[in-house]
Order: sequence, then structure tokens, then C-alpha cells
Amino acid sequence: TQLLEQSPQFLSIQEGENLTVYCNSSSVFSSLQWYRQEPGEGPVLLVTVVTGGEVKKLKRLTFQFGDARKDSSLHITAAQPGDTGLYLCAGGKLIFGQGTELSVKP
Amino acid sequence: NAGVTQTPKFQVLKTGQSMTLQCAQDMNHEYMSWYRQDPGMGLRLIHYSVGAGITDQGEVPNGYNVSRSTTEDFPLRLLSAAPSQTSVYFCASSVSSYEQYFGPGTRLTVT
Repeated sequence: TQLLEQSPQFLSIQEGENLTVYCNSSSVFSSLQWYRQEPGEGPVLLVTVVTGGEVKKLKRLTFQFGDARKDSSLHITAAQPGDTGLYLCAGGKLIFGQGTELSVKP
Repeated sequence: NAGVTQTPKFQVLKTGQSMTLQCAQDMNHEYMSWYRQDPGMGLRLIHYSVGAGITDQGEVPNGYNVSRSTTEDFPLRLLSAAPSQTSVYFCASSVSSYEQYFGPGTRLTVT
């Protein structure tokens, strides 16, 4: 059974700080997706990483896929209150991690 | 395009009642899936479909039924509601099993 574990589960930081969220597995994935979910809404796709070692940037968000395609990370530079939300990684047969709840305080 | 729509948005049921959560998509996606979201547990797959007439179980299928008679619709049926089914339910669609588009969710409370 493929599992995705995210860490940390909760993160509370001040505006302007940097942070990294991790998504780890013992299984190899052909691709991993990152989603962001705001309260009361459904998740929204941010990015898909496909190639081992791949790095993708979305404004202040940097996504990396591990060389062995077993893990991924999301790094946010100079976090803003608008980044607040639940960040989910997903892969394989419709499998999701348990999420990282991010709170960015002004 | 409306994307993925779900109805109702909120529902309260008594234990033992049955109901159907509706999900529709207008993107002609083959894949559709149902998830439940509980605090600290991310999204757990209930049932999914890879096309009209084809459905399969996910991680937590017990107590739920699905059918897929058309590409557009994928209803989720609760046969006899239990308090353990209190959750937020999300429907999603996608071209393949990746890069899913989610509906706004149905918040269900079973008393």
C-alpha cells in the first residue's frame, strides 16, 4: 500500500518568514501533486512534479521532487497571510497525505 | 464551465437515514472520485470511477455505494447513515488519476 506522510502537520509563522513542507513515502511515485485548500473550499491543484530531481517554481513557492521519486518538498519564501491554508501532497492511485496546516500571521 | 458541482452544500441526517450526494462535472473527464475529509486525516478515497459504467472501491468504501451511468454524474449513496460518517465529502474529476479538479464539498452531520 502506498502511503504519503507530510510534515509538519501544523505550522504557524510570522509574515516574511520562510518555510518548508515535506511529503515522504517509502514507495516510488511516477508523479506527485501539491494542492492548497482554503477553509470551506475544495483543494486546488498547485503543481505536478514528474521527473526525479525536478524543481518547479510558482512565484514564491518552490516545489522539488526527490531524485528517487519517493519524496517532495514545498518551500515558501517570505510567507504572506494569503498563503494560509492546508497544503496537501498527492500521488499514485488517488492517494493524499494528511496535510500541513499553515497559518501566516501578519 | 461550471467545473465540478456538488449538492447539497450542507446536510443533517439522523442515524439510519439514507441519502444521495450529487456530483456533476462538465469537463468531459473520464476519472471521477469521492473523498471524505476528517480533521488531521487529509483526504481518504471512498470510491472512484475510470469511466461510465466502471467503478471501484477506495480506502474507506464501507457504508457507501456509487454508480456511474453517464460521464457527467457520479452520485454517492449513504445506505444507512451512522455518526461515523459525519464528515466533509469532496467529489473530484480528472483526465487521468492525476491533477484532479475538486467540487466545493458537502458538509454532512449524522446525529
